Amino acid sequence: AQSVTQLDSQVPVFEEAPVELRCNYSSSVSVYLFWYVQYPNQGLQLLLKYLSGSTLVKGINGFEAEFNKSQTSFHLRKPSVHISDTAEYFCAVSAGKANNDMRFGAGTRLTVKP
Amino acid sequence: GAVVSQHPSRVICKSGTSVKIECRSLDFQATTMFWYRQFPKQSLMLMATSNEGSKATYEQGVEKDKFLINHASLTLSTLTVTSAHPEDSSFYICSARTGLPTEAFFGQGTRLTVV
Repeated sequence: AQSVTQLDSQVPVFEEAPVELRCNYSSSVSVYLFWYVQYPNQGLQLLLKYLSGSTLVKGINGFEAEFNKSQTSFHLRKPSVHISDTAEYFCAVSAGKANNDMRFGAGTRLTVKP
Repeated sequence: GAVVSQHPSRVICKSGTSVKIECRSLDFQATTMFWYRQFPKQSLMLMATSNEGSKATYEQGVEKDKFLINHASLTLSTLTVTSAHPEDSSFYICSARTGLPTEAFFGQGTRLTVV
C-alpha cells in the first residue's frame, strides 16, 4: 500500500518569502501525486498533480512541485507567498489504477506573517 | 473541473439519533466515491470506498453498522451515521473520481456535532 509523509507539521514564513513544503511517499507501484489546499471548514482544492511526463509540475496560485523518483519526494514550492496562502496543505498519493483510493499526509499548516 | 456537492454543510443532532450526509457528483458519473473523516488539525482518514451498486468497502477499524454507506446511483452516495454519539462529532468529507486516474473531486465537507 502507498503512504505519504509530510515532514513539517507547521511552516511559518513571512510574506513575499519563498516556501517549500516537503512530502515523501512510499509505494511499491507507480503512483500519482497530488497537493491539495484546505481552508477552514472547507473541502479540499487541488493545487497540482503529477501523473506522468515532466517532473516539474506547475499548479494554481503560483505553486509548483517537483517529482523526484529517486528520492521518492514531491515537494511543493512557491517563490513568494501571500497572506492569503495561509492554509492547511495536504500531499496525497494514489496508486496507478483508476478509482484507487487516495492516501493523505498529515498535513502542513502554512502560516504567512506580514 | 468536476463538481461534487455535499449536503448538509453543518448538522447538529442529539445523541442517539441518526444523520444522513449526501454526496452528489453534479456533472459527471462517479463509479467510485470515498468517505473521509477529519479530526481537528489532523489529516483525512479514509473510512470507506463506495462503489455504485455494490457494498461499500470499509477500512479497518471503521464500524460498518454504524456508518452506513449507500451508493444507489452513479451520482449519489450517502453516509448515515446511526445512533450518533458525541465521539462521532467530526468533519466528514466525500470525494468522487471518474474512470480516469486523475485527481479526486471533493465535496465541501460536513461538520457533524452530536450533543
